[in-house]
Order: sequence, then C-alpha cells, then structure tokens
Amino acid sequence: EVQLVESGGGLVQPGGSLRLSCAASGFTFSGYWMTWVRQAPGKGLEWVANMNQDGGQKYYVDSVKGRFTISRDNAKSSLYLQMNSLRAEDTAVYYCARYAAAAPLDYWGQGTLVTVSS
Amino acid sequence: SYDLTQPPSVSVSPGQTARITCSGDALPKQYAYWYQQKPGQAPVLVIYKDTERPSGIPERFSGSSSGTKVTLTISGVQAEDEADYYCQSADSSASLGVFGGGTKLTVL
Repeated sequence: EVQLVESGGGLVQPGGSLRLSCAASGFTFSGYWMTWVRQAPGKGLEWVANMNQDGGQKYYVDSVKGRFTISRDNAKSSLYLQMNSLRAEDTAVYYCARYAAAAPLDYWGQGTLVTVSS
Repeated sequence: SYDLTQPPSVSVSPGQTARITCSGDALPKQYAYWYQQKPGQAPVLVIYKDTERPSGIPERFSGSSSGTKVTLTISGVQAEDEADYYCQSADSSASLGVFGGGTKLTVL
C-alpha cells in the first residue's frame, strides 16, 4: 500500500525557517518524481515544487523561488522541503504527492500545517 | 503565469448530472487532471489525461475535452460526491503544475 506521511510543520515566526519531511513507503520511491502542494486556510491548491528521480531537475512556483528548496534521499525514501525566510502568506497545509508519469499526483499524504505568525 | 478558470460553485439535486468546467489556453496542448477534496482530507485523483479514470473511482465520474475547455461530469450525483473539485494541468514549459481555483459541488 502506497503511503506518504508528512511531518515537520508547526508555528514559526516571520523570517524563520522550517524543514518539512515526507516519508514514503509501499512503492519504489527512487522511480518517481515527487511534488509539494500547499493549501492556505480556506483557499485552493497551489503547486509549490517538484523534482525528478535523481534530484537533477527541480522546479518552483515563482512565489517561493530563492526561499524554498526541495530535496530527496532515495536511500531513506524521503522527500524534503526546506523553507527559509518564511512569510505570513506561506501559512498553509503542505502536502507531498507522488508524481506518476501517466497520472500525476496519484497519491497524497495527509498534509502538515505550517503557520507563520508572530 | 498560466491560469485555469473554474466556476466557484455548482449545485445539483441527487440523481442529476453535474458538469464542472475548466478553461485554459494551454489545454489543447496539455492534459488535464481532476481532483476531489472533501473537508479535512487530502485531494484524490478522479480523472487523469482528460478522460481516464483511475481504478477505484466510480464510473459515474467522466472527463471530456474540447479546445480550451475540459469538463468533469458526474452522472447520477450522490450525496457523497459533495466536495471541492480542482482541475490541474501544466504550465507552458510543462515543468510545473497549475491548479484551477476549485469548484464547490453542492448536492441539494
């Protein structure tokens, strides 16, 4: 059974940093692109970043470029999102999702809440 | 940036057919995907590559495409289908995904 479990969310002050993790199981993690998607409270979904299998290709939405870094450890079947210079508008539930070639975002984690507030 | 436009809300009675549209200039060149999200839950993929249905998704869910518009159709709507629905496609470079604003389906 495919499982994605996010962790690392919490309350952080503006300008602070946070590192999210996503532990994957039930599939060959190293064979898939992976994605971070976020959802601000009461708002829609926003694609944040994605990366390919070996980390050689990484893409970010403009609003997080230069502040967020997506990475992965295939040996640990884990995906990460390092978030720096956090702003109030980064407050959201952050989901990791598997990006399958045929059917993107076919599996999602339950999400982890990041709150940026003083 | 590339935008996908959805109606904010659609309402139907049980047993009727719900149609949720999504418009975008790149849709003739990029596939569209549809996700269902119920309150407090993660999204679930219900349609991929415009018209394909993942295993486990009921047959009443179908997708279609015409020009710059794609449509999610739910035939014989049930109360359990009440949810937010999001279309998704790729930006012009096909490297990053883009979501529509979402449509709240209300089953009257």
